[in-house]
Amino acid sequence: AQSVTQLGSHVSVSEGALVLLRCNYSSSVPPYLFWYVQYPNQGLQLLLKYTTGATLVKGINGFEAEFKKSETSFHLTKPSAHMSDAAEYFCAVSSYMFSGGYNKLIFGAGTRLAVHP
Amino acid sequence: DTEVTQTPKHLVMGMTNKKSLKCEQHMGHRAMYWYKQKAKKPPELMFVYSYEKLSINESVPSRFSPECPNSSLLNLHLHALQPEDSALYLCASSKGQVTSGANVLTFGAGSRLTVL
Repeated sequence: AQSVTQLGSHVSVSEGALVLLRCNYSSSVPPYLFWYVQYPNQGLQLLLKYTTGATLVKGINGFEAEFKKSETSFHLTKPSAHMSDAAEYFCAVSSYMFSGGYNKLIFGAGTRLAVHP
Repeated sequence: DTEVTQTPKHLVMGMTNKKSLKCEQHMGHRAMYWYKQKAKKPPELMFVYSYEKLSINESVPSRFSPECPNSSLLNLHLHALQPEDSALYLCASSKGQVTSGANVLTFGAGSRLTVL
């Protein structure tokens, strides 16, 4: 079975500081990993995804994540936080369900990022 | 068109009302999803349609009734809801026709439901 753990339900940083949001996964097969962002009263927006190949994945809005198989981690980083980055961030692992013809997303509990001046 | 459109954005209903949430996508995706999201929680899967057929019902109460009239539309019919059903309802779609875990789910902005 697959699972995702996000360490830290709340992270607070100063504007201009490094953002680090932690995600660890459990999977018996090579994982497909995603980071989604959710701004207040909005849906989920894809930040980036890891499938295969390059372990450092670049996403939108200056975010990137590194897949580390040895540590079963997929942490999200951004060198310099902006006020507009304040949001809820979800890490997820995906698998294709052949019996149903759809993708099953297993989400972490989420991390709320606050950015203060 | 790379969007999933949900209407209405906000809905307030009484426990005896009948209402519907609508979702539309024109990306050619063949899998469509309904999720329920309570405050400060991740989305919870409710239903999945693949090629307009119901694939998954995650033990959702019968007061929620999904419908997929065609490959671009997904509805969620609501009847006799309870106050605890108040939540953000998210629609999503993906390339169900591509058998890969790398498929991206594209989410709509959600419908905020309040049950009085």
